[in-house]
Amino acid sequence: NAGVTQTPKFRILKIGQSMTLQCTQDMNHNYMYWYRQDPGMGLKLIYYSVGAGITDKGEVPNGYNVSRSTTEDFPLRLELAAPSQTSVYFCASSPRQGSYNEQFFGPGTRLTVL
Amino acid sequence: QQQVKQSPQSLIVQKGGISIINCAYENTAFDYFPWYQQFPGKGPALLIAIRPDVSEKKEGRFTISFNKSAKQFSLHIMDSQPGDSATYFCAALKAYNQGGKLIFGQGTELSVKP
Repeated sequence: NAGVTQTPKFRILKIGQSMTLQCTQDMNHNYMYWYRQDPGMGLKLIYYSVGAGITDKGEVPNGYNVSRSTTEDFPLRLELAAPSQTSVYFCASSPRQGSYNEQFFGPGTRLTVL
Repeated sequence: QQQVKQSPQSLIVQKGGISIINCAYENTAFDYFPWYQQFPGKGPALLIAIRPDVSEKKEGRFTISFNKSAKQFSLHIMDSQPGDSATYFCAALKAYNQGGKLIFGQGTELSVKP
């Protein structure tokens, strides 16, 4: 199993541009998450999904959109990029609801908006 | 009430010493407390976790101490090694919350000097 994979690894955007961060997991996990990590701020949840076709907002959803058409894929869309979206983005997945199962993280995408 | 506060922000320990990282929470509905370890350029990975029905959990050199009345928990790394140099995140989860969402602390950057 490859686990959770993310592309691209790095990206520089200009203000106002758009992009999609890709996330794929091959563990057949129901739950998937998008986080952003800023220095000294920990991990903040952007969006999450409990299964294909179901998504919901996390703590910091503004400026982002997601979709979940399959169990495996959970892309994160940035519209009209702003410097405040400069961050490292992590995708994660987890087996099921209401359990204490761990979240498995991808390697991250480092995004810079100039 | 959804916050988890972590300290210190950074920690330098000599090889062979004990590293101690502390976390505090307010929400008494939290009932699962994992610690994640993140090496530079990688995503976080589950290190060790505890539920509040026990006061301590040990796995090798890593121990979680849990004080339910004080709403605090801590990670102790015994005989710290340079390979332990990483960022550590505490987290908390409320059972049966939709999506199994974790609340992360701000992170502690640990450096173990040889």
